[in-house]
Amino acid sequence: DTGVSQNPRHKITKRGQNVTFRCDPISEHNRLYWYRQTLGQGPEFLTYFQNEAQLEKSRLLSDRFSAERPKGSFSTLEIQRTEQGDSAMYLCASSPALKGLAGYEVAKNIQYFGAGTRLSVL
Amino acid sequence: AQSVSQHNHHVILSEAASLELGCNYSYGGTVNLFWYVQYPGQHLQLLLKYFSGDPLVKGIKGFEAEFIKSKFSFNLRKPSVQWSDTAEYFCAVKMDSSYKLIFGSGTRLLVRP
Repeated sequence: DTGVSQNPRHKITKRGQNVTFRCDPISEHNRLYWYRQTLGQGPEFLTYFQNEAQLEKSRLLSDRFSAERPKGSFSTLEIQRTEQGDSAMYLCASSPALKGLAGYEVAKNIQYFGAGTRLSVL
Repeated sequence: AQSVSQHNHHVILSEAASLELGCNYSYGGTVNLFWYVQYPGQHLQLLLKYFSGDPLVKGIKGFEAEFIKSKFSFNLRKPSVQWSDTAEYFCAVKMDSSYKLIFGSGTRLLVRP
């Protein structure tokens, strides 16, 4: 399967514990995104990587949240000292970057999503 | 702040009925527009997209959407729905100044056989 892979699919934890999620993007996609989706809402942007560089972060990403993409391939999202309000589906997406004829990067920003990690904080 | 509004949270239709789901966004600059679909138990999948050119775009499974710039709208349509179209539909916008997608809150569509 060449889609975006997320692990684990489900995570149940107690309040105050740390959790880490992993995302493996589609091969050769250099852009990777994390979103959070709560019940009855659409996904909300958390952060974005281009290769290993974290280029954009949402205000939703408090200091308890950290994301890494050390080698520009897979990414991890860690939540420290989890709170009940962190319960949500955490989605990862990836997209390619294409070179245009003019030499400029043409980002046909079609984001492909994984199945998500559902976090339940008790 | 930029936002995306989907007017209908729940829609119930009978098979063969026509569908139109509304989507409006608040951003005055250049945008890319998307509709994603999430079938029960599955991940988000791209239904159709608009980058530029013809404002009427066609997607998979007979869906189409029309970008009306003056109305900041990107409504999704399908002339005749099927039971298999039962899903949640999300409109999303990408502003030219960012790579992130801004999603609407979604519309749950139930098609009765």
